[in-house]
Amino acid sequence: AQSVTQLGSHVSVSEGALVLLRCNYSSSVPPYLFWYVQYPNQGLQLLLKYTSAATLVKGINGFEAEFKKSETSFHLTKPSAHMSDAAEYFCAVTPAGGYNKLIFGAGTRLAVHP
Amino acid sequence: ETGVTQTPRHLVMGMTNKKSLKCEQHLGHNAMYWYKQSAKKPLELMFVYSLEERVENNSVPSRFSPECPNSSHLFLHLHTLQPEDSALYLCASLGQGSTEAFFGQGTRLTVV
Repeated sequence: AQSVTQLGSHVSVSEGALVLLRCNYSSSVPPYLFWYVQYPNQGLQLLLKYTSAATLVKGINGFEAEFKKSETSFHLTKPSAHMSDAAEYFCAVTPAGGYNKLIFGAGTRLAVHP
Repeated sequence: ETGVTQTPRHLVMGMTNKKSLKCEQHLGHNAMYWYKQSAKKPLELMFVYSLEERVENNSVPSRFSPECPNSSHLFLHLHTLQPEDSALYLCASLGQGSTEAFFGQGTRLTVV
């Protein structure tokens, strides 16, 4: 079985500051891991994904995430926050090669202030 | 625009009404999903269809009834809903061998 825990339901950063959103997963089989972003009144958009290739994954809008098997983590980072990054971010897991379902974390709402 | 279209975007219905949510994709994907997004809760997977066959039903109450008439269309039929069913309902699709699910913009459902 798979599960995802996102630490911190709300994160607030200043514009230009480092963004760090935490995700820990639990999986009995090798996982595929994803970060999605949701803007107000919108669906989910894929930011980046880990599918057992490089452990450091780069995504859109300057975001990246590192898969750390020893820590069962897949934290999302961005060196410098933009006002436009304000949104809700979801980490998700699915078993490698198995696409019946994505299991999502509860989400982290990112606020960016001037 | 992700290629997955959901209609309507907003729906208000009474507890005795019957309504349907529609999801459409022309991406050639063969798996489609319904998710429920409630405030302060993780996204909940409701139903999974693969090649037009329902492969998963996550203990969803019978007042929610999915239908997948072909690989491009997915419906969620609603009847005698409860106020706690108010949520954003998201449809997603996935192509065979793909690693990216595409989501629609969702239907915001309010049950009064």
